[in-house]
Amino acid sequence: GAVVSQHPSWVICKSGTSVKIECRSLDFQATTMFWYRQFPKQSLMLMATSNEGSKATYEQGVEKDKFLINHASLTLSTLTVTSAHPEDSSFYICSARGQVNSYEQYFGPGTRLTVT
Amino acid sequence: GQNIDQPTEMTATEGAIVQINCTYQTSGFNGLFWYQQHAGEAPTFLSYNVLDGLEEKGRFSSFLSRSKGYSYLLLKELQMKDSASYLCAVGGTGGSYIPTFGRGTSLIVHP
Repeated sequence: GAVVSQHPSWVICKSGTSVKIECRSLDFQATTMFWYRQFPKQSLMLMATSNEGSKATYEQGVEKDKFLINHASLTLSTLTVTSAHPEDSSFYICSARGQVNSYEQYFGPGTRLTVT
Repeated sequence: GQNIDQPTEMTATEGAIVQINCTYQTSGFNGLFWYQQHAGEAPTFLSYNVLDGLEEKGRFSSFLSRSKGYSYLLLKELQMKDSASYLCAVGGTGGSYIPTFGRGTSLIVHP
């Protein structure tokens, strides 16, 4: 149980285009989903927290107009990188939590984004 | 804010024991996590300590001292597949439990 999927697993796009990444909880309802970004040999950095049906809470320094997050249902959250630039190339990982006030969160397999 | 420090890289021999240390300075504390992450993959949960002491789970054990802001992950009977990055993370305050991650320790296990 507690499986989280991400799609696509990797994507290459041209500078200036937008890319959408999907995160799904397959066998549980996720009250909260998290989006992280990880650069090579760096830590996972939390970008935003999203709860179903409400606006995402972005971490300091993360541009909400550039990284659009939609949490339309209890099993799906999407991250759209708008007007992508090479510096946005990174490993994007989502995680999901099934219960409020629970420490357990389940990570998706990640999406490798390369912007050329 | 949170400051989490762990060694960048460690090497060990197959069959041996290795201890990965983590020190933290945080404005709030709600437990300490350890995750394993293989290259190009998402982290997988190893342990969560909220009280002082040692918790053992198979070949892996995790220790916490809140007064010292210190934790370690102990890996016994090392296997080649244990080569990975090990992330120490401190849980957020209140009911959030959202972990703030350290940079991770890259463990290389050689024959």
